[in-house]
Amino acid sequence: DTAVSQTPKYLVTQMGNDKSIKCEQNLGHDTMYWYKQDSKKFLKIMFSYNNKELIINETVPNRFSPKSPDKAHLNLHINSLELGDSAVYFCASSQVGERETQYFGPGTRLLVL
Amino acid sequence: DAKTTQPTSMDCAEGRAANLPCNHSTISGNEYVYWYRQIHSQGPQYIIHGLKNNETNEMASLIITEDRKSSTLILPHATLRDTAVYYCIVRLSTGFQKLVFGTGTRLLVSP
Repeated sequence: DTAVSQTPKYLVTQMGNDKSIKCEQNLGHDTMYWYKQDSKKFLKIMFSYNNKELIINETVPNRFSPKSPDKAHLNLHINSLELGDSAVYFCASSQVGERETQYFGPGTRLLVL
Repeated sequence: DAKTTQPTSMDCAEGRAANLPCNHSTISGNEYVYWYRQIHSQGPQYIIHGLKNNETNEMASLIITEDRKSSTLILPHATLRDTAVYYCIVRLSTGFQKLVFGTGTRLLVSP
């Protein structure tokens, strides 16, 4: 079974549309993350939720809104998509603690035309 | 900004040991050194982490210098599937700590 899964794997859409990416983890972790990897391959954190509470919110446009319905899910909704939103979005999860490690999903490749 | 410095790229022959260095001269006493790798088009994968002692697991070994200002990740017998970008990251051991990825080292393992 996949530990951290994301849907969809690929997403091609037009500028101005609204889209959502879903993430689920079956590891029983209490913390989930969204990262963005741009075309230059820089991987940067966007958000983090712990027990459904937002704990990390980097400088991300308000068009991006994460939602965590429960500890196992963290979704990312993007309004009014722009060309610059094209990237690979990775979800990750971890259990907070001294030996915490993050487990990443396979990524969602978003292309905005 | 990432708090580590790594070479941009390295080559290694299949079956040989790959030694990937990392400088983290500003590391503080309660920060761990973590290593992740990203194989092409996949999500980053945890490899190993340590505080001050050397660590070994089924994937790799981590050697941390006594002053903790640098470390080396060792893949003892590199295979073609180890070709990836390797990221060295320092972070606090507890609390809600984000991973700050730098540019990493692109390791190419050749036959």
